[in-house]
Amino acid sequence: DVKVTQSSRYLVKRTGEKVFLECVQDMDHENMFWYRQDPGLGLRLIYFSYDVKMKEKGDIPEGYSVSREKKERFSLILESASTNQTSMYLCASSFRDRGKDEKLFFGSGTQLSVL
Amino acid sequence: GQSLEQPSEVTAVEGAIVQINCTYQTSGFYGLSWYQQHDGGAPTFLSYNGLDGLEETGRFSSFLSRSDSYGYLLLQELQMKDSASYFCAVRDDRGSTLGRLYFGRGTQLTVWP
Repeated sequence: DVKVTQSSRYLVKRTGEKVFLECVQDMDHENMFWYRQDPGLGLRLIYFSYDVKMKEKGDIPEGYSVSREKKERFSLILESASTNQTSMYLCASSFRDRGKDEKLFFGSGTQLSVL
Repeated sequence: GQSLEQPSEVTAVEGAIVQINCTYQTSGFYGLSWYQQHDGGAPTFLSYNGLDGLEETGRFSSFLSRSDSYGYLLLQELQMKDSASYFCAVRDDRGSTLGRLYFGRGTQLTVWP
């Protein structure tokens, strides 16, 4: 079974802290994604990556950065956490090949609270 | 840009059939997917329609009409465990957005005994 593992299930941070959210997948997927999920707003894409060291902005990249130094690992960085970044963060991965890339595999999520 | 519309809530009783509709607007439409998410859980892939018509997977079916920019998820013989949020998502294949999904806001399905 594909496994997408997020490093923490719950995190509590203070305003202004630098926050790292880690995601690791074990299926050799090329594509990796970071979404945030807020009640009533669905899943919104923050950043995604098609390959090592590649990254592209999603719909809401402000206040975030990402790093993909290894194929299996995709990190989301909050440079200076703010209260409006309190949310559920979901990592996902997929193959890049057409016909396989429509199926995303999600991690269990990290519920981040910024106080 | 892209927009997807789906109902926010649907309720039904065990054994019934329920249909969750999704209408979309996107410039580079490639396909429509459906995901299920239980409370506190991760979204999981249910189905994908790249072509018009019906795709069936057990009790679940998904339909797509590209000319109407419309699709639906049909759940039959509902069970309590089907209570969850259901998201439609469209594939957009324009330039740098190749392969990314845009998600709707989700439909909360509640199944009553």
